[in-house]
Amino acid sequence: DPKIIQKPKYLVAVTGSEKILICEQYLGHNAMYWYRQSAKKPLEFMFSYSYQKLMDNQTASSRFQPQSSKKNHLDLQITALKPDDSATYFCASSQEGLGGVYFGPGTRLTVL
Amino acid sequence: GDQVEQSPSALSLHEGTDSALRCNFTTTMRSVQWFRQNSRGSLISLFYLASGTKENGRLKSAFDSKERRYSTLHIRDAQLEDSGTYFCAAGGAGGNNKLTFGQGTVLSVIP
Repeated sequence: DPKIIQKPKYLVAVTGSEKILICEQYLGHNAMYWYRQSAKKPLEFMFSYSYQKLMDNQTASSRFQPQSSKKNHLDLQITALKPDDSATYFCASSQEGLGGVYFGPGTRLTVL
Repeated sequence: GDQVEQSPSALSLHEGTDSALRCNFTTTMRSVQWFRQNSRGSLISLFYLASGTKENGRLKSAFDSKERRYSTLHIRDAQLEDSGTYFCAAGGAGGNNKLTFGQGTVLSVIP
């Protein structure tokens, strides 16, 4: 059974629209993250949350807003979408202070 | 910011041969994690190291415990299913698990 679920797997959006990327983890971890992978850049860190609180934000644009409704959920809302936002967005989780980071399967977003 | 330099960028290996991938950090790092990204795009964690070495089957990884600025991933007896893109990612000194990724090594194992 998948331990980190991301929905949807593929997403196509038009410029200017808004989308929400869903992430749930069933590893019992207390920290969750969002990373982005695009053709032009290596995997890059976006946000980290610990116990549902924002710990680190490396995304310059306020168009990207994480939302944590439950301890094991960290969704990503993206508003006013641009073609440059096209990328695969990975959710990840870890237990702080212990071991490594585990990644979900990703949501591949294409903005037309 | 912290930089992670990964080499080589691409590598072709014949089945049954051995090789090593390398990762250099421009500053001291707390930990390193190695991943393989398969053809479906999934990131599979291979090793997490805070120091020393770990081995799993034909794969072995080491993290320089002294300077904490260098890590290697050794592949022994390469098989076709080892093909994929390998990433190293450094965990910073801040105590959180924010990872800084290298550019990746595209590994092709050929018969």
